[in-house]
Amino acid sequence: AQTVTQSQPEMSVQEAETVTLSCTYDTSESDYYLFWYKQPPSRQMILVIRQEAYKQQNATENRFSVNFQKAAKSFSLKISDSQLGDAAMYFCASPLRDDKIIFGKGTRLHILP
Amino acid sequence: NAGVTQTPKFQVLKTGQSMTLQCAQDMNHNSMYWYRQDPGMGLRLIYYSASEGTTDKGEVPNGYNVSRLNKREFSLRLESAAPSQTSVYFCATGGWRTTNEKLFFGSGTQLSVL
Repeated sequence: AQTVTQSQPEMSVQEAETVTLSCTYDTSESDYYLFWYKQPPSRQMILVIRQEAYKQQNATENRFSVNFQKAAKSFSLKISDSQLGDAAMYFCASPLRDDKIIFGKGTRLHILP
Repeated sequence: NAGVTQTPKFQVLKTGQSMTLQCAQDMNHNSMYWYRQDPGMGLRLIYYSASEGTTDKGEVPNGYNVSRLNKREFSLRLESAAPSQTSVYFCATGGWRTTNEKLFFGSGTQLSVL
């Protein structure tokens, strides 16, 4: 069974507003990284942001930031100042064990002009 | 510098036919992956290879075989294709254990089984 859960199949946000995509995971690794990938209609997989689990500080990349709650095994992605180009599928990913990286089912993000 | 190259990009099979999806990487990574992507199901790991000559089952290995003959190439074989194997298949390489690691993906293979 998948152990990366994205509970929001679809979300919509007004252009320039902020949206948060949720992800929970379960891993047997003691030290690990977590990832958010973006997949636009081109089908290309693009790394958005990466979080190191042993770091207390949440990762940020320009308009993208995470809210990482290690004890709760929660890893949400916040997109600020949403732009039309942010419309895509977003996948959360976590290593299961032994380097196997598992993805969630994805959240389709719509940007409303 | 191609990164991860998958062939073919599109394929239509009849039920019961066999085929091999090819994947090659020039990034000198040890780990390689095969995923399938279906609507509403995200990316699911089919098989994983930690290094040349080693393979391990992922979440959905049934109906597939893989071969990692060298560091560069990781092939996925469907021995007897079924309509349930209609999907987009992605090969990936890379990892997660160090700061700069991530997964690098091929462009995908759209497979239809009729």
